[in-house]
Amino acid sequence: TQLLEQSPQFLSIQEGENLTVYCNSSSVFSSLQWYRQEPGEGPVLLVTVVTGGEVKKLKRLTFQFGDARKDSSLHITAAQPGDTGLYLCAGLTGANNLFFGTGTRLTVIP
Amino acid sequence: EAGVAQSPRYKIIEKRQSVAFWCNPISGHATLYWYQQILGQGPKLLIQFQNNGVVDDSQLPKDRFSAERLKGVDSTLKIQPAKLEDSAVYLCASNRQLNTEAFFGQGTRLTVV
Repeated sequence: TQLLEQSPQFLSIQEGENLTVYCNSSSVFSSLQWYRQEPGEGPVLLVTVVTGGEVKKLKRLTFQFGDARKDSSLHITAAQPGDTGLYLCAGLTGANNLFFGTGTRLTVIP
Repeated sequence: EAGVAQSPRYKIIEKRQSVAFWCNPISGHATLYWYQQILGQGPKLLIQFQNNGVVDDSQLPKDRFSAERLKGVDSTLKIQPAKLEDSAVYLCASNRQLNTEAFFGQGTRLTVV
């Protein structure tokens, strides 16, 4: 079982602020995905990063995969209330196992 | 295309009773996952199927949980007998191949009283 630790566990910020969520593991993954989950729904994919050191941008969200493919970060610029939700990182192994992180619950206050 | 279908959406049972959940993945998706998500936590992988074969069930409590995926399409997850700590949302997901998006159903919220 691969463990992925996310930090912080909870984050409450004002609209317009920037934030970074971290996802760390001692295991190497073939790729790393970030999902967002709303109450009562299943997680929905935001991005997949495959190459060590890769950086992907999705509007105000920037995702980075660590050089060693063990960790990742999610940076949100100018957070908006619509960004509120549970953010989950997930590591994919070569056998297509998909292990989720512990989660970061983000609240953006208007 | 249709998404991942799960039923029921909600289930309340007494401890020591049995319960079954059903999942129909997206057509053509060979990999099917069952997760247990306790409130406020990330989903925990219970079992992974590739077609109708089990790839990983290392975190499945096999003394009470069982799962099958006959014909490599839909799947059922069963708990017998249920314990209070089994109260959680059970999520089913599927994907087509490695490094692709996993699509999730809405989940089944189980409450054991």
